[in-house]
Amino acid sequence: AQSVSQHNHHVILSEAASLELGCNYSYGGTVNLFWYVQYPGQHLQLLLKYFSGDPLVKGIKGFEAEFIKSKFSFNLRKPSVQWSDTAEYFCAVNAAPGGSYIPTFGRGTSLIVHP
Amino acid sequence: GAGVSQSPSNKVTEKGKDVELRCDPISGHTALYWYRQSLGQGLEFLIYFQGNSAPDKSGLPSDRFSAERTGGSVSTLTIQRTQQEDSAVYLCASKYREGRMYNEQFFGPGTRLTVL
Repeated sequence: AQSVSQHNHHVILSEAASLELGCNYSYGGTVNLFWYVQYPGQHLQLLLKYFSGDPLVKGIKGFEAEFIKSKFSFNLRKPSVQWSDTAEYFCAVNAAPGGSYIPTFGRGTSLIVHP
Repeated sequence: GAGVSQSPSNKVTEKGKDVELRCDPISGHTALYWYRQSLGQGLEFLIYFQGNSAPDKSGLPSDRFSAERTGGSVSTLTIQRTQQEDSAVYLCASKYREGRMYNEQFFGPGTRLTVL
């Protein structure tokens, strides 16, 4: 079965600091990976996704994530965070064959950025 | 176009009452998912529909929970004899088509359920 771990549950940064949120998954086969973001009072929306090709994926608002197959990781990064990046971030994985097409989500990371 | 909509946005009910939560997916999306989001617990998968059938009900926490989907569109999640531990935000998501892993899910705003 597929699973996702997000090790940082709460992250607090000052504006302009660099961000890296960890995401590790457990599944040995083909995976598609996603990062979703939930801004305060808003619904979940896609930040970026990886399904094949270049393992460095760029998303909206300056975010990027790198898929490292050997480490089963898909960490989210941003060089310089802004106050508006305050949100909950969720990593998710789809896996096949043998896994589930139903995305499995991590527990989420709460990011607070102080101005 | 219109996104996923859910109603009601907030529901307060008394323990023991039944509640119905509604989801309207994006038109043309054949896959529909229900999740439960509790504070600090992430997203808990409840049930998934492909068309009107539910191939995976494994996440439903008890037989008090049921869901249906009609016309390949609207879905209703019903919780019978609600308990306080049912209090959470219930999220609905739709996806263009199952079987294509890289399709993203589109989420609704959720229904916040409070059981007193």
